[in-house]
Amino acid sequence: NAGVMQNPRHLVRRRGQEARLRCSPMKGHSHVYWYRQLPEEGLKFMVYLQKENIIDESGMPKERFSAEFPKEGPSILRIQQVVRGDSAAYFCASSPGQHQETQYFGPGTRLLVL
Amino acid sequence: KNEVEQSPQNLTAQEGEFITINCSYSVGISALHWLQQHPGGGIVSLFMLSSGKKKHGRLIATINIQEKHSSLHITASHPRDSAVYICARETSGSRLTFGEGTQLTVNP
Repeated sequence: NAGVMQNPRHLVRRRGQEARLRCSPMKGHSHVYWYRQLPEEGLKFMVYLQKENIIDESGMPKERFSAEFPKEGPSILRIQQVVRGDSAAYFCASSPGQHQETQYFGPGTRLLVL
Repeated sequence: KNEVEQSPQNLTAQEGEFITINCSYSVGISALHWLQQHPGGGIVSLFMLSSGKKKHGRLIATINIQEKHSSLHITASHPRDSAVYICARETSGSRLTFGEGTQLTVNP
């Protein structure tokens, strides 16, 4: 059973470009979480999605950031018009259910904005 | 004040020592998670607990709901245990709120 997969593992963008980060949850998992880790800081919750639904996006910046988890295919975290402050590691996690479930983390995408 | 406080921030131990990392949280939880972040950045879930105690190999996690406190213990520590250990509280909405992490270094 493959683990949580994220791609790309490393992404370099220039200011103003768009960044698309993909997350394929573990087989059988319908709950996906995105977290961000800024350099030298702790992990911060961004968004929680179930298939085709955003359940909690209270950690998402109000502008430029969006997330989706379509019926088919991976979950996508999209950052428009990236700025240097978006440089961070973005981790995706998945779980089979909603409450009191272990969350399995992907390897992360390291985004560097030049 | 962070919602999740960990101590110590940094911990250096000699191989074989018994290690304890503490986590306190300020509000009620549905579960408490312990995670390990490797030097390369990957994150592994170690424990998810809502009461009592769990053990996996040399790792033991305990939680006291009344005192809003959890501990992670490592017995017979080894250099390969060197990593950042993170506790996170889960509320009813399933989102995790993380502590700042404890950097553990185990010297041979």
